[in-house]
Amino acid sequence: DVKVTQSSRYLVKRTGEKVFLECVQDMDHENMFWYRQDPGLGLRLIYFSYDVKMKEKGDIPEGYSVSREKKERFSLILESASTNQTSMYLCASSFHFAAGGGFFGPGTRLTVL
Amino acid sequence: KQEVTQIPAALSVPEGENLVLNCSFTDSAIYNLQWFRQDPGKGLTSLLLIQSSQREQTSGRLNASLDKSSGRSTLYIAASQPGDSATYLCAEFTQGAQKLVFGQGTRLTINP
Repeated sequence: DVKVTQSSRYLVKRTGEKVFLECVQDMDHENMFWYRQDPGLGLRLIYFSYDVKMKEKGDIPEGYSVSREKKERFSLILESASTNQTSMYLCASSFHFAAGGGFFGPGTRLTVL
Repeated sequence: KQEVTQIPAALSVPEGENLVLNCSFTDSAIYNLQWFRQDPGKGLTSLLLIQSSQREQTSGRLNASLDKSSGRSTLYIAASQPGDSATYLCAEFTQGAQKLVFGQGTRLTINP
C-alpha cells in the first residue's frame, strides 16, 4: 500500500520559531509537493521538487524554504514562523510530474501563536 | 487566469440517491483532470484521474467524465451511502500552468 507520511498531525509553535515539516514517501516517486489549505482559499502550491536537490517555487513561496536531500524525503521550512502561516499543510508525491501530486499525506495542522 | 469552479459548494441528499458533482475549468489545454476526496481534518485521497485523451473513468460506484470542449467534468456517484459524506475536489493539470489547479470543493452530506 502506497504511503505518504508527515511527521506531525498537529503542531503548535511560537512566532519567530524555525519550524520543520517533514514528508516521506515510500513509492520511489520523483516529484514531491507542498501545499497549504485555508478556508475560502483552497489549496495553494508552496514549493515542489522534481528530483533530489532540485526545487521550484509554487504560487506562495514567500516565508518558506524546502530541502530535498534524499528522494523519499521533502522538508518544508518556516524560517521565522508568523501567525499568518497558521494553516493545514499537505505534502504530496507523484511518479509522473503531470499527475501533480496524486498521493497526499494526512496533513499537518500548524498553529503559530 | 486559470480557474477551476465547483458548484454547489455544499450538497445534501438522502441515502441511496444517485448524484452528480460538477467541475468547470477555463483552460482547455488540459493535460489531465483529477477528482479527490477529503474527509474533515485529513489529507486528500485520489479517486479518479482522467487523461486529456479520455472521456471518462470508472471506479466502483464512481464515474468521472471529461468534456474539454465545454470545459466541464462531472463526478457521478451511484447509490450514495453515508460513508460517501466528504468534500470532493477536482483539479486540472494544464500544459500551460504545469501544476495542479484545484477547485474549492463540494461538501457532500449523505443523510441516512
